Amino acid sequence: EVQLVESGGGLVQPGGSLRLSCAASGFTFSYYDMHWVRQATGEGLEWVSGIGTTGDPYYPGSVKGRFTISRDNAKNSLYLQMNSLRAGDTAVYYCAKGVAGTGGFDSWGQGTLVTVSS
Amino acid sequence: DIRMTQSPSSLSASVGDRVTITCRASQSIGSYLSWYQEKPGKAPKLLIYFASSLQSGVPSRFSGSGSGTDFTLTISSLQPEDFATYYCQQSYGSPFTFGQGTKLDIK
Repeated sequence: EVQLVESGGGLVQPGGSLRLSCAASGFTFSYYDMHWVRQATGEGLEWVSGIGTTGDPYYPGSVKGRFTISRDNAKNSLYLQMNSLRAGDTAVYYCAKGVAGTGGFDSWGQGTLVTVSS
Repeated sequence: DIRMTQSPSSLSASVGDRVTITCRASQSIGSYLSWYQEKPGKAPKLLIYFASSLQSGVPSRFSGSGSGTDFTLTISSLQPEDFATYYCQQSYGSPFTFGQGTKLDIK
């Protein structure tokens, strides 16, 4: 059974940093693209970043230059380093596993809440 | 960026109804379109990928169709557990954008 468990969320001041982690199990982690998706309270889903099997990252403009996605295939883990955080980054952050070849996200973690506030 | 527009934004229906939600992309995305179901307090669940492929374990009353810019999600006979919010998402190119969501509630 695929399991994705996020950690690292919490309260951080504007301008601060936070590092999220996602521990993966139940599948061959290195074979799949992985992603972060966030959802602010009462809002829709927003894709935050993705990383390919070879470690190539990609980001939307809203976080490019502030967020860095990375993976450690030996540890079956995905990370999101978030810098220069803003109030607008407040959301539940989900780790998601990509569907091979088609880009959908077929497994999601339970999410970790990031609150950016003074 | 590719903009995804869902319609309607909200929908009221009854158990047993046939429901269709549409999603339009601002440019052609081939078949790189997924549909998700989200319930309050839970992570989204993949229903359909590559426009029409049913995710394993998803009931067959869910189906997807379309290609290019216009897509539909159809629920053939609504069940009580289907009342939720539905999102489309394109994976044709980064950034992978979602539609704004369609909230399906009980009439």
